[in-house]
Amino acid sequence: GAGVSQSPSNKVTEKGKDVELRCDPISGHTALYWYRQSLGQGLEFLIYFQGNSAPDKSGLPSDRFSAERTGGSVSTLTIQRTQQEDSAVYLCASSLVGDNEQFFGPGTRLTVL
Amino acid sequence: LAKTTQPISMDSYEGQEVNITCSHNNIATNDYITWYQQFPSQGPRFIIQGYKTKVTNEVASLFIPADRKSSTLSLPRVSLSDTAVYYCLVGDWSTGFQKLVFGTGTRLLVSP
Repeated sequence: GAGVSQSPSNKVTEKGKDVELRCDPISGHTALYWYRQSLGQGLEFLIYFQGNSAPDKSGLPSDRFSAERTGGSVSTLTIQRTQQEDSAVYLCASSLVGDNEQFFGPGTRLTVL
Repeated sequence: LAKTTQPISMDSYEGQEVNITCSHNNIATNDYITWYQQFPSQGPRFIIQGYKTKVTNEVASLFIPADRKSSTLSLPRVSLSDTAVYYCLVGDWSTGFQKLVFGTGTRLLVSP
């Protein structure tokens, strides 16, 4: 079946602009995660959604970052007033509850000029 | 979450067996050990997971000694396509959720 998809694959924006990144998880996966990966670094956890429960936002680096998940499926990560340090690859993953394996999408490469 | 330590890089040749060792001295009783693989410009991909002794699948084997303070990922007869970054993670997945904490991983380069 289809894997996790993310759009856009690349996004170049100017400092101060808002951006929206989209994630379509694998159908039936109720858990959804957002991570970001800076150049040459490991992944940094951002936020986690599980069904209709309140999301775990403990990893969001500032209040400029927010995310929502509509209908328990598609998720959008929004970064307001982007800064150059926000430049990174933003990765989305999904999994079945109780399953330890997370399936990652290809990521969105964000460049803030 | 238990901290993990693994080599920054390793080099190998096609057809050789590669063993990547990860140290996790502070592993907790409920923690599992998981390995992910990441190719350039792609998201990580689950390889294997274990709790103790040995686990084998079609891709790799995972060896975990009795004290569980380390683990070794074994890739048999590597090919050029195994060139990637390999991440060792330790965590308690019993609740069904775990925010994966990735270190910088081990960059494996396989040469002809």
